[in-house]
Amino acid sequence: AQTVTQSQPEMSVQEAETVTLSCTYDTSESDYYLFWYKQPPSRQMILVIRQEAYKQQNATENRFSVNFQKAAKSFSLKISDSQLGDAAMYFCAYRSYQIQGAQKLVFGQGTRLTINP
Amino acid sequence: DSGVTQTPKHLITATGQRVTLRCSPRSGDLSVYWYQQSLDQGLQFLIQYYNGEERAKGNILERFSAQQFPDLHSELNLSSLELGDSALYFCASTGEGRASGNTIYFGEGSWLTVV
Repeated sequence: AQTVTQSQPEMSVQEAETVTLSCTYDTSESDYYLFWYKQPPSRQMILVIRQEAYKQQNATENRFSVNFQKAAKSFSLKISDSQLGDAAMYFCAYRSYQIQGAQKLVFGQGTRLTINP
Repeated sequence: DSGVTQTPKHLITATGQRVTLRCSPRSGDLSVYWYQQSLDQGLQFLIQYYNGEERAKGNILERFSAQQFPDLHSELNLSSLELGDSALYFCASTGEGRASGNTIYFGEGSWLTVV
């Protein structure tokens, strides 16, 4: 069964600095998606960035980028120029790719990110 | 707007009661997932449906049940409620193929408070 592990329950960073959140996963599948979701105090789940396993290029979205290491099954999130609004719980997620059928969806335990002004 | 609709948004009920949470997935999505999130906790997977059929079960209590209807909306039934059932209940849906399968769509959640 697929698993997702976030080994950092809490992280903190100074405003304007860079922080990296770690995520590792385990799967025997070759095609899948990986996501980082942000959950601010409002508890809304917000998509930060996604990566398709068949794409070797690391995804980037403005200040957010990932380091996708497929062989190592690692998917870390880098936040550059951290802002106060980045403070939230961050979840790493895995979704299997299937054309028909029930796609497996697995979340990590979350990392709470604090931004220090 | 994710396209996933959950009702009610907030619900306060007494211990021992029964409630039903409703989820309408994004148009065309066949897969629906239910999650429970207690305060400051992660997402606990409850159950998954695909096109009306149950496909996977997580840590769902026997007091909880769910179903997905022919129009693809899903309901999560919680009975004999206890204080510990107070949580945010999320519904998520996802599509298929490269075009629509590369995102997980979340509803805003249903806040359940058991008093």
